[in-house]
Amino acid sequence: GESVGLHLPTLSVQEGDNSIINCAYSNSASDYFIWYKQESGKGPQFIIDIRSNMDKRQGQRVTVLLNKTVKHLSLQIAATQPGDSAVYFCAENYSGNTPLVFGKGTRLSVIA
Amino acid sequence: EAEVAQSPRYKITEKSQAVAFWCDPISGHATLYWYRQILGQGPELLVQFQDESVVDDSQLPKDRFSAERLKGVDSTLKIQPAELGDSAMYLCASSLTGLGETQYFGPGTRLLVL
Repeated sequence: GESVGLHLPTLSVQEGDNSIINCAYSNSASDYFIWYKQESGKGPQFIIDIRSNMDKRQGQRVTVLLNKTVKHLSLQIAATQPGDSAVYFCAENYSGNTPLVFGKGTRLSVIA
Repeated sequence: EAEVAQSPRYKITEKSQAVAFWCDPISGHATLYWYRQILGQGPELLVQFQDESVVDDSQLPKDRFSAERLKGVDSTLKIQPAELGDSAMYLCASSLTGLGETQYFGPGTRLLVL
């Protein structure tokens, strides 16, 4: 399939290692954050979300960390698998009916 | 698991032609979004519907783009006339109420304008 992004930052990890993908968000008033995974030729797939009243949230093999002081969000993937290879986007939202703003994606490449 | 449906998946057209994309959101989702994603970038909102009403179309190029959601369920996005720069992935998403909630995306329609 075609590439989702051609000139994105790329993170290469060995299968089984942990991955950390970082995102700097823009609006200090944003109070809801989402990580999406996008495979080639597909739409973004919801992974995990976090609200601003939390600084950490865990899912299955994934953890999201939020540092409001420096407006930084990270996604940690434990025991990275080949199926995790994709482009990952963070998105931020301000309370109410406002647009979801996507950050620049990061391409994760898992080396078997 | 309920999903957002989109069709067609791929569309090739010549410039100055009209194209239309269809989206069926997750059942019960009041809010529907159309995004455009250029290769290498994140999705950018074109239009947002709350039921059948447009709540944000500030980024929709209204001279050539139109969107409707007549019965508050499925939606159509139209481009007339298409231009070379319209080549992109067009994504539809939906959320339950739209108020700071998760948006679920469809598979997208890949448009190529020749």
